[in-house]
Amino acid sequence: NAGVTQNPKFQVLKTGQSMTLQCAQDMNHNSMYWYRQDPGMGLRLIYYSASEGTTDKGEVPNGYNVSRLNKREFSLRLESAAPSQTSVYFCASSRQGSVYGYTFGSGTRLTVV
Amino acid sequence: DAKTTQPTSMDCAEGRAANLPCNHSTISGNEYVYWYRQIHSQGPQYIIHGLKNNETNEMASLIITEDRKSSTLILPHATLRDTAVYYCIVNTDKLIFGTGTRLQVFP
Repeated sequence: NAGVTQNPKFQVLKTGQSMTLQCAQDMNHNSMYWYRQDPGMGLRLIYYSASEGTTDKGEVPNGYNVSRLNKREFSLRLESAAPSQTSVYFCASSRQGSVYGYTFGSGTRLTVV
Repeated sequence: DAKTTQPTSMDCAEGRAANLPCNHSTISGNEYVYWYRQIHSQGPQYIIHGLKNNETNEMASLIITEDRKSSTLILPHATLRDTAVYYCIVNTDKLIFGTGTRLQVFP
């Protein structure tokens, strides 16, 4: 029972490159989320998926796309990375409609040079 | 549009109670108060939540004022491992984080 698994854990990209951050959960949760955290800041919601087949924008969606591949997996794609996207990215999941039961992954540390 | 206000930082001696305040004067009747914490760049961890009654679990206690405009998270016997950023969140459907309170527990 791994909880929420994120891959990769570290990544360095050059400006303009693309990449996909992977997230999978094994808790049979319906809802999944992507957050970013810049140094010294709180987490900001990028996109979320309330249930399989749906995705919605969060606070800071520009420059990102998401795919809810199935109930377990929710990926985040950067089509053309920019230095401003240097951040730590956290994936989370919860039972649908449950705000207290979020489980977070350990994060992906992304640097764009 | 942060719904909560928390002090930027606090200190607490190991073994003493840590009392972390949160103001949420615009809270709606059906909104819960949630507390999460983040230990040194790890993913946030759920601590406790409540609507209007005081709540206690194995990690902490949550005291909500009668008018629900503020609350206090209490860690009864703080340890060095409680050093973290503590987030007070008010919402109905998604976690929206503010900047939280950085709690430093010292020996």
